[in-house]
Amino acid sequence: QKEVEQDPGPLSVPEGAIVSLNCTYSNSAFQYFMWYRQYSRKGPELLMYTYSSGNKEDGRFTAQVDKSSKYISLFIRDSQPSDSATYLCAMRESNAGNMLTFGGGTRLMVKP
Amino acid sequence: GAVVSQHPSWVICKSGTSVKIECRSLDFQATTMFWYRQFPKQSLMLMATSNEGSKATYEQGVEKDKFLINHASLTLSTLTVTSAHPEDSSFYICSANLPDTQYFGPGTRLTVL
Repeated sequence: QKEVEQDPGPLSVPEGAIVSLNCTYSNSAFQYFMWYRQYSRKGPELLMYTYSSGNKEDGRFTAQVDKSSKYISLFIRDSQPSDSATYLCAMRESNAGNMLTFGGGTRLMVKP
Repeated sequence: GAVVSQHPSWVICKSGTSVKIECRSLDFQATTMFWYRQFPKQSLMLMATSNEGSKATYEQGVEKDKFLINHASLTLSTLTVTSAHPEDSSFYICSANLPDTQYFGPGTRLTVL
């Protein structure tokens, strides 16, 4: 079993839809959680960073962490075709020297 | 946000030659940088951790003599793929470490003929 599980998709939604991307993890030592967006043939871009349970909002993006259930989510409101990309969740332990454990990535396609 | 650059963005080389990829942190200093490899439709695979002024730490299964890493300054790490072969063709991505998380470069696509 992988430490971090992420549905690979592809997830196809119409423009304007609310998108929910999810990751589950098994290591209770993970304390810091990130979401990266990766366009084809590009490096990952940091979207959201959080370390506490609850919600964190940034524009159309909301990151949600539930440490008791070992479950994190990224919500995208009013999705746009430009949101079409692969979304990677990543997480790390407190004293891991920033070594990240990645999910496998979910490919999202937003159709106009 | 922190900016990390990579050069070249893509390279094609003949089998048996060596290729050097540069990773630079443009607006900050990074004592630690990471090198990843990514195959199509797969997640990132950590190859090694590059520490300024010391030897790199390689992940299990990564040949240190084949993938030479040098971190000579706080803003530059290089990855040299020695005696490249077609199976080394991949997307190579570096990241630089800041206290909160990693910031990634744009990646280098290597094609070995």
